[in-house]
Amino acid sequence: DAGVTQSPTHLIKTRGQHVTLRCSPISGHKSVSWYQQVLGQGPQFIFQYYEKEERGRGNFPDRFSARQFPNYSSELNVNALLLGDSALYLCASSLETGNSNSPLHFGNGTRLTVT
Amino acid sequence: SQKIEQNSEALNIQEGKTATLTCNYTNYSPAYLQWYRQDPGRGPVFLLLIRENEKEKRKERLKVTFDTTLKQSLFHITASQPADSATYLCALDMLTGYSTLTFGKGTMLLVSP
Repeated sequence: DAGVTQSPTHLIKTRGQHVTLRCSPISGHKSVSWYQQVLGQGPQFIFQYYEKEERGRGNFPDRFSARQFPNYSSELNVNALLLGDSALYLCASSLETGNSNSPLHFGNGTRLTVT
Repeated sequence: SQKIEQNSEALNIQEGKTATLTCNYTNYSPAYLQWYRQDPGRGPVFLLLIRENEKEKRKERLKVTFDTTLKQSLFHITASQPADSATYLCALDMLTGYSTLTFGKGTMLLVSP
């Protein structure tokens, strides 16, 4: 079975531009989460979507937005890019059972570099 | 403020020895704690989950303990191998009820042959 797939794998953008990152969850997983991982740090929660609805949002500015489609894939959008947005963006899917003990299955991320 | 602390320095051990990694937290009351492994350039991979009412959990060469009084979890790899070299992340749920985790910075483990 295919794991979580993310595209693109690498991306270079200029300050002020916007970016769209894509994620396909494991088949059968209805929950998708996005995390940002800056070099040397652990992943930091950005969003969680379940059944196309936003269920959680981390401490990120409104420049960050996301959505989930009927096939449970997801997009993360970042507007007005800043140098500090350079990071590895990770998507994770899980079997959402309504409690917080579902392990997350991560993709290998999109490495975003803002110059 | 809420904080999760893992050994900031890399842990270097000899092949065959037991590696012990520490995760301490403050101002949390997690119901679950999870451990992940992350290799360079890759996403984290789930290893073990332990619930607050469980003191210990084992899976093959891995063992996790969870002490809610000390607010600490220990992660052990017995008979370590060079292939175990990676960064290990502990993560706590945010009690939102929806698979939302707060991660520590991780500890890099280096196992020498």
